Amino acid sequence: DTEVTQTPKHLVMGMTNKKSLKCEQHMGHRAMYWYKQKAKKPPELMFVYSYEKLSINESVPSRFSPECPNSSLLNLHLHALQPEDSALYLCASSQQQGLSEAFFGQGTRLTVV
Amino acid sequence: GENVEQHPSTLSVQEGDSAVIKCTYSDSASNYFPWYKQELGKRPQLIIDIRSNVGEKKDQRIAVTLNKTAKHFSLHITETQPEDSAVYFCAAITYGGSQGNLIFGKGTKLSVKP
Repeated sequence: DTEVTQTPKHLVMGMTNKKSLKCEQHMGHRAMYWYKQKAKKPPELMFVYSYEKLSINESVPSRFSPECPNSSLLNLHLHALQPEDSALYLCASSQQQGLSEAFFGQGTRLTVV
Repeated sequence: GENVEQHPSTLSVQEGDSAVIKCTYSDSASNYFPWYKQELGKRPQLIIDIRSNVGEKKDQRIAVTLNKTAKHFSLHITETQPEDSAVYFCAAITYGGSQGNLIFGKGTKLSVKP
């Protein structure tokens, strides 16, 4: 199983809503990542979890709140987002942080209205 | 921190021709260099990678070369096909540094014309 699964695939939310993005992998990877990708741009790193501990927070606004309940799951909680937060949110995992290739999920296409 | 420059930003070739995409990196400690292909609306997918102890790696029509001294690496696609059309991202990872994560180049949109 070399899959990283993200749900939902598409999400439309209002600026006052609270929603969560979910990511799951069963490859035994101990590093998981959230990336944000705007159209025609490369993925930008948001958060890194290594062994279920937050390793990197790339100065992401507090309206984005990550959570790693266990080694297979990664969540991104969203609250009071802005229209400019609309983007493709990609989850990825790798065996360990920074040592090998990252496998990406198919992403959640988020639209904030 | 690591900085990855990628050129060209767009590349158009005729089917059957070769395509070359070049990247440079700034951190001499970087030791792992993957290339990702992203088709429209889809996830980035790893197509080939190279580690700093290797100068060249091939996988069928795709090859990657690495020049550690000059701090640049390149993707070579031979006998291009229309299905090679996509955005290609190079990336670099620094081993053991405080930022042990993928830093992406800005991407190259490759168009292969039949």
